[in-house]
Amino acid sequence: EPEVTQTPSHQVTQMGQEVILRCVPISNHLYFYWYRQILGQKVEFLVSFYNNEISEKSEIFDDQFSVERPDGSNFTLKIRSTKLEDSAMYFCASRAGGTIYFGEGSWLTVV
Amino acid sequence: AQTVTQSQPEMSVQEAETVTLSCTYDTSENNYYLFWYKQPPSRQMILVIRQEAYKQQNATENRFSVNFQKAAKSFSLKISDSQLGDTAMYFCAFGRQGGSEKLVFGKGTKLTVNP
Repeated sequence: EPEVTQTPSHQVTQMGQEVILRCVPISNHLYFYWYRQILGQKVEFLVSFYNNEISEKSEIFDDQFSVERPDGSNFTLKIRSTKLEDSAMYFCASRAGGTIYFGEGSWLTVV
Repeated sequence: AQTVTQSQPEMSVQEAETVTLSCTYDTSENNYYLFWYKQPPSRQMILVIRQEAYKQQNATENRFSVNFQKAAKSFSLKISDSQLGDTAMYFCAFGRQGGSEKLVFGKGTKLTVNP
């Protein structure tokens, strides 16, 4: 069964450093998403991406965040200058029809 | 804006028994989807079951079924013949049909299945 894949599974970074999280969505899906889950909290929407542009973003997705689809398969989330409060699990997801499928997540620890 | 409420932070059930997890939501939309996702300790988000709001028939997937009450805006998950592997966080989620169809999640219910 096709699945969303994410790399890295876990990354530790120094505060102020740039981080890029990578995702390969399911190949025939057209909508892509990033969600965030701070430890012990609910999953929160960050951004959706369709037709090579952002279709919707949350208030969390400020100027420190950006997304890109550099080629036909990868979908990336960049955090320019990480803060301690960016420590979280970041989930990539893609959608076909009405169902969103999640990757296994990238656990980001900012120290 | 849509909101999703899961009023049971934690629940436990004996192996082989049945448990029901509650979820209510608030929306002015008429066309939408509802989901239950399972998050085991590995923290992966696994789709358990999906319900389209226009369908009156409740969705079922093997041991998992839902009780969808559109007028009451209620969407509960019933797990029959609970297994130890069902131990996980369960998140209820709402997705508006059309547009980005982002998901809005509840805070989750931690389910423990006891042997």
